[in-house]
Amino acid sequence: GQQVMQIPQYQHVQEGEDFTTYCNSSTTLSNIQWYKQRPGGHPVFLIQLVKSGEVKKQKRLTFQFGEAKKNSSLHITATQTTDVGTYFCAGARGADGLTFGKGTHLIIQP
Amino acid sequence: DTGVSQNPRHKITKRGQNVTFRCDPISEHNRLYWYRQTLGQGPEFLTYFQNEAQLEKSRLLSDRFSAERPKGSFSTLEIQRTEQGDSAMYLCASSFVMAGVQETQYFGPGTRLLVL
Repeated sequence: GQQVMQIPQYQHVQEGEDFTTYCNSSTTLSNIQWYKQRPGGHPVFLIQLVKSGEVKKQKRLTFQFGEAKKNSSLHITATQTTDVGTYFCAGARGADGLTFGKGTHLIIQP
Repeated sequence: DTGVSQNPRHKITKRGQNVTFRCDPISEHNRLYWYRQTLGQGPEFLTYFQNEAQLEKSRLLSDRFSAERPKGSFSTLEIQRTEQGDSAMYLCASSFVMAGVQETQYFGPGTRLLVL
């Protein structure tokens, strides 16, 4: 079955440093979605990437979708304490259920 | 507030008991999904509905699990003869799909199940 791997599992950064999480799928995806989950909360949608090589930005967040539509990355510039949480990528092969990675836990030290 | 609601938010039960969870999706959404999330893991897909039809079930959904969406609106997920391994957060999500193209899945707050 489809597998989505995400690294690193944990990332400790000083406030103000950059952060990147990487996502790799075992199969070609129709789209990839990114979610953020705060401790005790539920996944909150951040963005969806559909096109090969697509790059989207949301303020300090930059999302990329690989040319082969099998990998993706999320980069946060100049992290803030409000960025704390777990970032999940989720791959879709069509309009079916999403396959989530295990997430990257972002811990920020002030 | 995503608009997806789930009840109850927490459930503690004894092993062997049956439990039922409810999900109310965003009203105009035609797709409803159930996921399970354990500590430190990402959500795992269980099943989904297109209107009232159940279109796909994961192999994670054993025969003790059953889901319904009788009128294409709210959905219920029942677990019979609960086991301690069923302890998890059960998440519901909804989306709108047209012509095979999916829009964003919006998640509810989840039901946290603890089986003693």
